[in-house]
Amino acid sequence: QSALTQPASVSGSPGQSITISCTGTSSDVGGDNYVSWYQHHPGKAPKLMIYAVSNRPSGVSNRFSGSKSGNTASLTISGLQAEDEGDYYCSSYTTHSFYVFGTGTKVTVL
Amino acid sequence: QVQLQESGPGLVKPSQTLSLTCTVSGASISTGGYYWNWIRQHPGKGLEWIGYIYYSGSTYYNPSLKSRVNISVDTSKNQFSLKLSSVTAADTAVYFCARGLVAAATLYDWGQGTLVTVSS
Repeated sequence: QSALTQPASVSGSPGQSITISCTGTSSDVGGDNYVSWYQHHPGKAPKLMIYAVSNRPSGVSNRFSGSKSGNTASLTISGLQAEDEGDYYCSSYTTHSFYVFGTGTKVTVL
Repeated sequence: QVQLQESGPGLVKPSQTLSLTCTVSGASISTGGYYWNWIRQHPGKGLEWIGYIYYSGSTYYNPSLKSRVNISVDTSKNQFSLKLSSVTAADTAVYFCARGLVAAATLYDWGQGTLVTVSS
């Protein structure tokens, strides 16, 4: 099972919007609505930001939103803030009953 | 608030078995609707899912690791454990445990991770 494909890095200025893509196959991203997004700061616990494609857990800012089209999911961060810097990973629960993660994207606030 | 804490040796010799335990507080492992996961991150690399266990004992493993992995649960201690056999330097990584929500197929709560180095 190959990792989902994400851009290695995305950057933006404070206040701007950025979008991170996550491309898989019909067996994972395109197979069902089980795409999640995690924020990770090295040395800390990863944090769930989006689940089931577009749902935000309690406490996550509404500046974070998710969507999906076919085999590609996307995470959009609106009103970019310095605290949004970090690594972001998508994941999908596959039709074979296991998880696959994306390659990871480093977000930099300029 | 659910908390997960990984524990175990930070150094393992090649060919030996890596053993880690995840202690859960703030929630009962015996509660249905959740599965209990292990994930790892190689130095400078992305996340890799290792496997999960349901409180009933049902397990699912990453096919690439399946022959070397065993995940077990101890409901009396509210813990679940990972054993990875025949380790090599390629198994050096930060190992995370996480609680997964079955209905949403997502990893809702994570531990901070523990670094395991495989070296003689």
